[in-house]
Amino acid sequence: GENVEQHPSTLSVQEGDSAVIKCTYSDSASNYFPWYKQELGKGPQLIIDIRSNVGEKKDQRIAVTLNKTAKHFSLHITETQPEDSAVYFCAALSSSASKIIFGSGTRLSIRP
Amino acid sequence: DAGVTQSPTHLIKTRGQQVTLRCSPISGHKSVSWYQQVLGQGPQFIFQYYEKEERGRGNFPDRFSARQFPNYSSELNVNALLLGDSALYLCASTPAETPVYGYTFGSGTRLTVV
Repeated sequence: GENVEQHPSTLSVQEGDSAVIKCTYSDSASNYFPWYKQELGKGPQLIIDIRSNVGEKKDQRIAVTLNKTAKHFSLHITETQPEDSAVYFCAALSSSASKIIFGSGTRLSIRP
Repeated sequence: DAGVTQSPTHLIKTRGQQVTLRCSPISGHKSVSWYQQVLGQGPQFIFQYYEKEERGRGNFPDRFSARQFPNYSSELNVNALLLGDSALYLCASTPAETPVYGYTFGSGTRLTVV
C-alpha cells in the first residue's frame, strides 16, 4: 500500500545549527510532496512543497530536495531558531490524487 | 479572511455514544478532507468531499460517515464510539478537487472517549 516513512522521530539541535529530516515514499506515481509544521494545539501548517519535476526548492532558511529515482525527499532547515521547535511532517500526494499521505512526524527541539 | 474553522474544539464522550464534528472551509474552497491524528502519529485520511460528493475514503469502519453541504461546510459523524476513537480530528480545505496545492488545516477537534 501507499506509505511514507520519516526519520528521525526526534531531533535536537543547537540554535544556529542545521536540521535535516528524511523521508521515503512507496508510490512511484506520487508527484507532489508537501512538508507541514505542527505546533502545540494547532493544526499542521504547510511550510514548503516540491513537485516531481523539480529536484530542489528553497525558501529562506528552508530547503527541500527530491530524488525520484530513490524515492527519497528531505527537509533542510539552516540557522535554526527557537521558533523552529515543532513537529514536522513529510507527506506525499497519493496516486489517486484524492488524499495526502503523511509520515509519522519528527519532533524538532532547538537547544539555546 | 477566516481560515478553516472547526467546532467544537474539545469534546468528551462516553463509549457507545455518537458524535458530530463540524468544519467550515476557507471561503471559495470547494473541497474538504477529514483526518484523524492519534497522539504521537501523523494524520490519517478519513474522507474527502468535493462539490458535495465523496471523492475518497480511507481505511476506517462504517461507523465513520461524513457529508458536505451546499455552502461547502462539512460534518463528520462517528457512531458507537470506542476508546480508540480518541484523537484530534482535523479538517482541511483546498480550492481544487485534489490537494495538488496542499491543504489548509483547521486547529482540530480534540475528542476524548471515556
